[in-house]
Formats: sequence, C-alpha cells, structure tokens
Amino acid sequence: TQLLEQSPQFLSIQEGENLTVYCNSSSVFSSLQWYRQEPGEGPVLLVTVVTGGEVKKLKRLTFQFGDARKDSSLHITAAQPGDTGLYLCAGRNSGNTPLVFGKGTRLSVIA
Amino acid sequence: NAGVTQTPKFQVLKTGQSMTLQCAQDMNHEYMSWYRQDPGMGLRLIHYSVGAGITDQGEVPNGYNVSRSTTEDFPLRLLSAAPSQTSVYFCASRRQGRTGNTIYFGEGSWLTVV
Repeated sequence: TQLLEQSPQFLSIQEGENLTVYCNSSSVFSSLQWYRQEPGEGPVLLVTVVTGGEVKKLKRLTFQFGDARKDSSLHITAAQPGDTGLYLCAGRNSGNTPLVFGKGTRLSVIA
Repeated sequence: NAGVTQTPKFQVLKTGQSMTLQCAQDMNHEYMSWYRQDPGMGLRLIHYSVGAGITDQGEVPNGYNVSRSTTEDFPLRLLSAAPSQTSVYFCASRRQGRTGNTIYFGEGSWLTVV
C-alpha cells in the first residue's frame, strides 16, 4: 500500500501569514492532486501535478511536485480566513489505479 | 448539472440492520468509488469500479458490498451494520484512463450505527 504522509496535521495561523503544507511518500506517483474540503461537503480538486519539478499557481496558492515525484508541497501566501479548511493530497500510480489520500492538514486562519 | 448525487445525507442504524447508500452520476464516468472518512484517518477506499459489471476491493472492504449494473449507479450495501461503520461516506467518479483526470465527489452521507 502506498502511503502519503501530510504535515503538519493541524495548523492555526493569523490572517496575512504565509504557510506551507507538505505531502511526502516513499513511493513514486504518476500524478498528485491537492483537494480542499469544507465542513459538511466533499473534497474539491484544487490542482493536479504530473511532471517532476512542476510548479503550478492558483492565485495565492503555489503547488510543487518534487523532482522524483515522491513529494509535493502547497504554499499559501497571505492567508485569509476563507482559506480555512482541510487540505488533502492524493496520489495515483497510473491512470487506472485508485487514488490514495493523505490524512490531511486542517488549516485555521484567524482574522 | 447534478454531478455525483448521494442519498441519504444522514442515517442512523441499529447494530445488525442493513441498508444501502445510493450513488448516481450523470457524467458518463467509467470509474466510480466509495470512500469513508474518519477523524484523523483521511479518506480510505472501500470499493471501486472501472466500469459496469466490474468491481474491486479497496483498502477497507470488509462489511461492505457493491455492484455496478449500470454506468450511472454504484450503490454501497451494509449487510449487518456495526458501530465501527459509523463514518462519513463519499462516493466519487471520474473518467477512466488519464492519470490526471479530475475526480468528483458527492456531498457525503453521514452514517451512525448505534
């Protein structure tokens, strides 16, 4: 079973601060995705990265896929209360294999 | 544009009762799956299907049955509910094939077994 370890598990910061969330594995993934989940809802896809070293930006969010495709990071600049939620990383070995999820990072941004 | 629809949203069962969680998608996706989400455990795969008539076990399949008679529907059955099955259940679907295909989740079904 491929495992994805996310850190930190919990993060509470003040509005305006920067933060980075990590997703690490000993396995190589063909693609890695980041999701955000709000209470009472299902996860919603933020980004997919497929190439080692790839960097994608989504407004104040920057996603990076490690060169060896074993790890990824999510960096949020100038966090806002609306960024509060559970951030999940998920990886897939190939196009037809199930998605494996990390346990998530619960972010709280305090105004 | 319904996407992935799960029913019921909330359910309380007594130990030993059976029930079916329904999942339907209107995007003609080949791949469908069921996850359960527990505090501190993330999303764990229960069963998945790569197309009508084909199902396979995920990480935590015990106590659950599935079938896929049509492309649209993927029901999850609990034959004899146990308190350990108290959880939030999510159905998801995506197109088969490309590794980066977007997976769409339903809104979740909250199940309590007493």
